[in-house]
Amino acid sequence: AQSVSQHNHHVILSEAASLELGCNYSYGGTVNLFWYVQYPGQHLQLLLKYFSGDPLVKGIKGFEAEFIKSKFSFNLRKPSVQWSDTAEYFCASSNQAGTALIFGKGTTLSVSS
Amino acid sequence: NAGVMQNPRHLVRRRGQEARLRCSPMKGHSHVYWYRQLPEEGLKFMVYLQKENIIDESGMPKERFSAEFPKEGPSILRIQQVVRGDSAAYFCASSPPGLSAEAFFGQGTRLTVV
Repeated sequence: AQSVSQHNHHVILSEAASLELGCNYSYGGTVNLFWYVQYPGQHLQLLLKYFSGDPLVKGIKGFEAEFIKSKFSFNLRKPSVQWSDTAEYFCASSNQAGTALIFGKGTTLSVSS
Repeated sequence: NAGVMQNPRHLVRRRGQEARLRCSPMKGHSHVYWYRQLPEEGLKFMVYLQKENIIDESGMPKERFSAEFPKEGPSILRIQQVVRGDSAAYFCASSPPGLSAEAFFGQGTRLTVV
């Protein structure tokens, strides 16, 4: 069965610090991988996605993620966070049989100014 | 192109009543997904529908919950005889056809059972 693990439940950073949020998926076949962000009181928005090709994916707002197949990982990174990045971040996967997205439990990021 | 529209945004029901949550997908989207979000638990997949078909309902509780996506009109998630444990945010997402299609989420319906 497909599953997604996010190991960091709550991350607290100061502005300008670098960010890396971990995500591991478990599925032996080909997967599509996503990172979504949910700002307080809002709906989920897509940050970036990986389907195939270059394993380093660049998304919106300066975020990027690297797909490492050997580690079953798709970690999210940002070199310098801002206060406005305070939100909840969800990693998700779907397999290419066209099933629904399966989400991790989410990581709450708090950025202090 | 309007986004995924969910209504109502907030719904209060007494224990034992029925809750109906509506989701209108984006134009051109034929796939709808329902998720439930509880604090500390993230988003739990409930059901995946295409027009007039349930594709995957593996995340739906066996009793009291049902979903439909008719040929015309919005997708409906129905919860009968609600209990306090049903209180949560329910999110709908839609996507166009295609195995690698991105899902777009609605604003959610926050159900409170009193």
